Amino acid sequence: GAVVSQHPSRVICKSGTSVKIECRSLDFQATTMFWYRQFPKKSLMLMATSNEGSKATYEQGVEKDKFLINHASLTLSTLTVTSAHPEDSSFYICSARDNGHRKEQFFGPGTRLTVL
Amino acid sequence: DAKTTQPPSMDCAEGRAANLPCNHSTISGNEYVYWYRQIHSQGPQYIIHGLKNNETNEMASLIITEDRKSSTLILPHATLRDTAVYYCIVRPSSCSARQLTFGSGTQLTVLP
Repeated sequence: GAVVSQHPSRVICKSGTSVKIECRSLDFQATTMFWYRQFPKKSLMLMATSNEGSKATYEQGVEKDKFLINHASLTLSTLTVTSAHPEDSSFYICSARDNGHRKEQFFGPGTRLTVL
Repeated sequence: DAKTTQPPSMDCAEGRAANLPCNHSTISGNEYVYWYRQIHSQGPQYIIHGLKNNETNEMASLIITEDRKSSTLILPHATLRDTAVYYCIVRPSSCSARQLTFGSGTQLTVLP
């Protein structure tokens, strides 16, 4: 299957700092990428849809100034959690949609963010 | 997208078939049934999808009822590594650019 990578896989930071998470599609191009957040024992919740070359679309209740998304190329989207607080601690997962014939969404391995 | 209903948890003995049900009584004619699974602390993994015909791949089989109001994911010989949360998702057209919406899923535990 297609490969989507995320970096870092795990990050611990102090409250008030910013954290950048990268999502890369390794063997396909992705015009559209999705960012999800998952709290313990909960399901994945969509945060935003990232479109290459244009602004991201955020779900209701997700602050666009806090969760900055950049999708500068067809293989890379980044999520920056600005001024992180302990309540932002979560598992962040990206998904990339294959532009090619497969047209399916493939998920990254996730990034565990812990804000102290 | 149509809503899906799954049992919160199921157990299965190792080596036996695991049959995971999903109800999607409000499914529309152009909506596909997708199955993903998520092993603890990993990203979701695509398993299989179908429209109205039964489907089989190297991972599983998908049985969709004739009225398409329910489906069953079958893992023919469950192993301990199949322990995961299994999500049944209904969405329009496999070419759709829309996101996948995850419900609560079924926690499958494969017992030794």
